[in-house]
Amino acid sequence: QQPVQSPQAVILREGEDAVINCSSSKALYSVHWYRQKHGEAPVFLMILLKGGEQKGHEKISASFNEKKQQSSLYLTASQLSYSGTYFCGTEITRGGSEKLVFGKGTKLTVNP
Amino acid sequence: DARVTQTPRHKVTEMGQEVTMRCQPILGHNTVFWYRQTMMQGLELLAYFRNRAPLDDSGMPKDRFSAEMPDATLATLKIQPSEPRDSAVYFCASGLVRVADGNQPQHFGDGTRLSIL
Repeated sequence: QQPVQSPQAVILREGEDAVINCSSSKALYSVHWYRQKHGEAPVFLMILLKGGEQKGHEKISASFNEKKQQSSLYLTASQLSYSGTYFCGTEITRGGSEKLVFGKGTKLTVNP
Repeated sequence: DARVTQTPRHKVTEMGQEVTMRCQPILGHNTVFWYRQTMMQGLELLAYFRNRAPLDDSGMPKDRFSAEMPDATLATLKIQPSEPRDSAVYFCASGLVRVADGNQPQHFGDGTRLSIL
């Protein structure tokens, strides 16, 4: 039931782009994205709902493909502050439960 | 900014001791979650509450873990007796969930870093 994130880690130079994928074996109602910096709490980025709507947060955007049961996070023109571990959390039922199952995370390192 | 407050931030204790972790959710939030984070397993949901009522604690080892919400401003997670394999970071998160609005963000506290020797 745990979603699979890929890649597990990625290293970028400042200004480069990256894509992080989150795939589920179950049909999804929503996908949540969080970023966690080392030693800190996860911080909410965005929620994607059924319908493939693309969301944006600064230069970070995401999409949700229901048929593929997959969400992708796009980081454009990366900044040093983007470094951290990105988690997707998936919700398989609609009911306001807010129960999420998180992937194991993708560690992003942005170097000068 | 409103924040979720967790205490203690760090706890080191010996195997067999009771451990109590506390969480003060953001005022007005009606849902509280307890997560455990380890390198191997990542973020695992242990239990969560809605309007102080437990909704799901299937992720929690029942023989040693217990979670309660004695009032709207306090959630507790207890381990008794503690074991070395319980060493992890425990996060509390809160959110305002309304069925009509659907999905809302979860706001995480800074966590309790627990080491069981």
